[in-house]
Amino acid sequence: GAGVSQSPSNKVTEKGKDVELRCDPISGHTALYWYRQSLGQGLEFLIYFQGNSAPDKSGLPSDRFSAERTGGSVSTLTIQRTQQEDSAVYLCASSLVGALAGGQDTQYFGPGTRLTVL
Amino acid sequence: QQQVKQSPQSLIVQKGGISIINCAYENTAFDYFPWYQQFPGKGPALLIAIRPDVSEKKEGRFTISFNKSAKQFSLHIMDSQPGDSATYFCAASRGGGATNKLIFGTGTLLAVQP
Repeated sequence: GAGVSQSPSNKVTEKGKDVELRCDPISGHTALYWYRQSLGQGLEFLIYFQGNSAPDKSGLPSDRFSAERTGGSVSTLTIQRTQQEDSAVYLCASSLVGALAGGQDTQYFGPGTRLTVL
Repeated sequence: QQQVKQSPQSLIVQKGGISIINCAYENTAFDYFPWYQQFPGKGPALLIAIRPDVSEKKEGRFTISFNKSAKQFSLHIMDSQPGDSATYFCAASRGGGATNKLIFGTGTLLAVQP
């Protein structure tokens, strides 16, 4: 079946502009995650959605970052008033049951959106 | 701050050799330790994972060794091939919490020379 898809694959924007990044998880997966991968760094957790529960936003670096997940499927990560330090690859992942599995079900990653802020 | 420390940052191995990547963690509550493989332009993909109740797990040419007392785990790639050239990330997570987030190491860029 289809994997996790993300769009756009690349996004170039000017400092101060808002951007929206989209994630389509694997069908049937209840858990969805956003991570950020900066050059030469590991993946940094941003936010986690599980079903209809309140999301874990503990990894969002500032209030310029927000995310929503509509209908338990598609998710959008929004960055307002982008800054140059926001330049990174934003990765989305989904898993079948997430924390309900005791933290041990496989997270499947999309190809990411490369964001460049000029 | 929960951390997973990974080394080396980069590694060059000859074809047929053994690649070894090491990770250390701090939080003893971690109970799931996956390794992800990432090719350029792609998202990370799960390679192999281990739980702390075993000291070793092997899948084909890939082996995880786990030392709970030392809070360390490592990935061994036997008979390394040029197709194994990629970036490898170790990670850890804590089961039983409200979230399932993975804490990643900083990655190891592996180059297998033919």
